Amino acid sequence: NAGVMQNPRHLVRRRGQEARLRCSPMKGHSHVYWYRQLPEEGLKFMVYLQKENIIDESGMPKERFSAEFPKEGPSILRIQQVVRGDSAAYFCASSPVSYEQYFGPGTRLTVT
Amino acid sequence: KQEVTQIPAALSVPEGENLVLNCSFTDSAIYNLQWFRQDPGKGLTSLLLIQSSQREQTSGRLNASLDKSSGRSTLYIAASQPGDSATYLCAAPERSNFGNEKLTFGTGTRLTIIP
Repeated sequence: NAGVMQNPRHLVRRRGQEARLRCSPMKGHSHVYWYRQLPEEGLKFMVYLQKENIIDESGMPKERFSAEFPKEGPSILRIQQVVRGDSAAYFCASSPVSYEQYFGPGTRLTVT
Repeated sequence: KQEVTQIPAALSVPEGENLVLNCSFTDSAIYNLQWFRQDPGKGLTSLLLIQSSQREQTSGRLNASLDKSSGRSTLYIAASQPGDSATYLCAAPERSNFGNEKLTFGTGTRLTIIP
């Protein structure tokens, strides 16, 4: 059973471009969480999704950020019009129920 | 709102020593607590998950304890090795209004084992 997969592992975007981060949960897991780790800071919760539903987006910035977890395919975290402050490591985690979370290797976003 | 604090922020010890990392949390109404390891530029590796009904959980040279009443957890590493050098993160769940548990992380303890 493959672990949580994230791609790309590294992403470089210029200011104003869009960034799309993908997360494939572990097989059988229907719960997905996204966390962000800013440089020299701890991981912070962003959003929790189940298939086709956003359940808790209390940690998401109000503008430019969106997330989805379609019926088929990976979960996507989308950042529009990126700014330098978006540079961070973005981690996805999945769980079979709302319980122990298994983390992916992360996507490191650099905005130039 | 859950807050997690880890002390110390950094620790250097000679190889072979036993050591303790500390984690405190403010909301003791938790079902479990997790310890993770993060290597530089890498993802998170789950080390131990302690259920609220447990007091301790062991895996190899690692032992984690949980005291909900005092809001504390410790991670004990026995006979430390250079390969143990990493940042160790403690994460406590916070039950949201939507019923899910989102993890609140401490800022970690950066551990260096000196050969």
